[in-house]
Amino acid sequence: DGGITQSPKYLFRKEGQNVTLSCEQNLNHDAMYWYRQDPGQGLRLIYYSQIVNDFQKGDIAEGYSVSREKKESFPLTVTSAQKNPTAFYLCASSLQGVEPQHFGDGTRLSIL
Amino acid sequence: ILNVEQSPQSLHVQEGDSTNFTCSFPSSNFYALHWYRWETAKSPEALFVMTLNGDEKKKGRISATLNTKEGYSYLYIKGSQPEDSATYLCAFNGGSQGNLIFGKGTKLSVKP
Repeated sequence: DGGITQSPKYLFRKEGQNVTLSCEQNLNHDAMYWYRQDPGQGLRLIYYSQIVNDFQKGDIAEGYSVSREKKESFPLTVTSAQKNPTAFYLCASSLQGVEPQHFGDGTRLSIL
Repeated sequence: ILNVEQSPQSLHVQEGDSTNFTCSFPSSNFYALHWYRWETAKSPEALFVMTLNGDEKKKGRISATLNTKEGYSYLYIKGSQPEDSATYLCAFNGGSQGNLIFGKGTKLSVKP
């Protein structure tokens, strides 16, 4: 089945530690996105990538980094510079243009 | 700062009731308006992507309209069923790159 796989489902981070959230898709989509959800807020865009080896900052990129070395993969690293990383993270992908986005099941990140 | 507003924040209806909710978005630089349904413990699922002023789309008992000049879209559900219970998200797309600005959603609960 084609789809988007996010792992892990739950992740715990110690203070000062970097953690990486995985996102893999087998939909042959060019574009991939990372969103963050906080209680009472809409989904906010962290980073997006329209093509391999290229990505752009979204509205809340500070404290995060990404890479897009393969079309299928768009991992998100939450660095120690992100002071409030506790949130629910969603990855999505789409064909280019106005195509709808397909979402993974999300990763919930908490601080130990 | 671009803002997408959804109302109401939550809605409780009886099975069989018809209901509607609103999404307001910037009326300038419009490219597309997306609607998603997000059921608890699942990933968001695309309902509609609307691009033309006056556009009306339908999927079963759910339909949506679009007014880009005044910056609003309505989502209608006819004869609500318990399985319609979910959070309905709208998202504004102001350019061809597909990065979306989401509203906070309308949480619909349908009582049997």
